[in-house]
Amino acid sequence: QKEVEQDPGPLSVPEGAIVSLNCTYSNSAFQYFMWYRQYSRKGPELLMYTYSSGNKEDGRFTAQVDKSSKYISLFIRDSQPSDSATYLCAMSDNSNYQLIWGAGTKLIIKP
Amino acid sequence: KAGVTQTPRYLIKTRGQQVTLSCSPISGHRSVSWYQQTPGQGLQFLFEYFSETQRNKGNFPGRFSGRQFSNSRSEMNVSTLELGDSALYLCASSRGDRGPGGEAFFGQGTRLTVV
Repeated sequence: QKEVEQDPGPLSVPEGAIVSLNCTYSNSAFQYFMWYRQYSRKGPELLMYTYSSGNKEDGRFTAQVDKSSKYISLFIRDSQPSDSATYLCAMSDNSNYQLIWGAGTKLIIKP
Repeated sequence: KAGVTQTPRYLIKTRGQQVTLSCSPISGHRSVSWYQQTPGQGLQFLFEYFSETQRNKGNFPGRFSGRQFSNSRSEMNVSTLELGDSALYLCASSRGDRGPGGEAFFGQGTRLTVV
């Protein structure tokens, strides 16, 4: 079993819909959680960074961390075709500087 | 503030050759991590350098090596190239600590094709 599980998709939704992207993890020591967006043939771009549990909002994006369930989510409101990309989750703990990555979810927003 | 710069952007090499890729991190960042990304395998961690020392290493053969200079710039070398080494190689720059503000920022990558 991988340390971080992420459904590769693709996830296809109509423009304007609310999108929910998720990752589950097995290591209860993870404290730092990140979401990256990657367009085709580009490097990943940091979207959200969260420490420990709770919610964080930035524009149309909301990141949630539920440490009791070992589950993190990224919500995208009013989705746009330009949001079509692969979304990767990453996380780390307090003893190791290395990020552990999910496989990435390919998101397609249909106009 | 300038972002992470990777050179070259594209490279075509012949099987058996060696290649060196370069990464200039964000000013003030002391950690550079290297990743290999292929369609079937996703992001695979190669190694991380912090203040000129390798701090973490992934599960790649010894043909993959790296180094970091005193100005934090890093190079990655692959010797005796194989067809399976064709991939997007990404470099990530960070402060090197774990706390808020320690996030990793990526370059645009070097796309290596081995023929």
